[in-house]
Amino acid sequence: DVKVTQSSRYLVKRTGEKVFLECVQDMDHENMFWYRQDPGLGLRLIYFSYDVKMKEKGDIPEGYSVSREKKERFSLILESASTNQTSMYLCASSAFYEQYFGPGTRLTVT
Amino acid sequence: KQEVTQIPAALSVPEGENLVLNCSFTDSAIYNLQWFRQDPGKGLTSLLLIQSSQREQTSGRLNASLDKSSGRSTLYIAASQPGDSATYLCAVRRGGSNYKLTFGKGTLLTVNP
Repeated sequence: DVKVTQSSRYLVKRTGEKVFLECVQDMDHENMFWYRQDPGLGLRLIYFSYDVKMKEKGDIPEGYSVSREKKERFSLILESASTNQTSMYLCASSAFYEQYFGPGTRLTVT
Repeated sequence: KQEVTQIPAALSVPEGENLVLNCSFTDSAIYNLQWFRQDPGKGLTSLLLIQSSQREQTSGRLNASLDKSSGRSTLYIAASQPGDSATYLCAVRRGGSNYKLTFGKGTLLTVNP
């Protein structure tokens, strides 16, 4: 079975803090994705990566950056967290067809 | 720009009923369509994936169909159970090398015992 893990299920941070969300997959997938999910807005793509050190902006990249130094790990970085970044963050990976999701990180910025 | 709509937004049925969830998309140039299940506060679980050349896929009590030309997909759940209660999302992947998915906002299904 494909396994996608995320470093935290729940996270509380203060405004202005630098926040790292980590995602690891164990299936040697080339592609990895970061989404955020908000009530009424659904899932929106923040960034994705199609290879190590390669990345592409999604629909809502503002305020975020990413890092992919190793194939299995994809990090989402909030350089200076703001309250409007309070959300559920979901990581996914895929080889070619299906996307497989992690359990999500509920981030609250106070 | 691709838009994905799921109707209804919420559905409540008694246990044992067969039901259909609907998904429509505006651009028929898709590579595939994927149905997911999401339990409250959890991640997404992939249920079925239909390639653009396929008409349907089945897994247990679930059957998903795809009519690409009309921009529609349905997820049929037979003999529903309380454990089927969840939000069901459909997502389409654009044709070509772009791996990005466009999601609908989901249908919240409640199966009452």
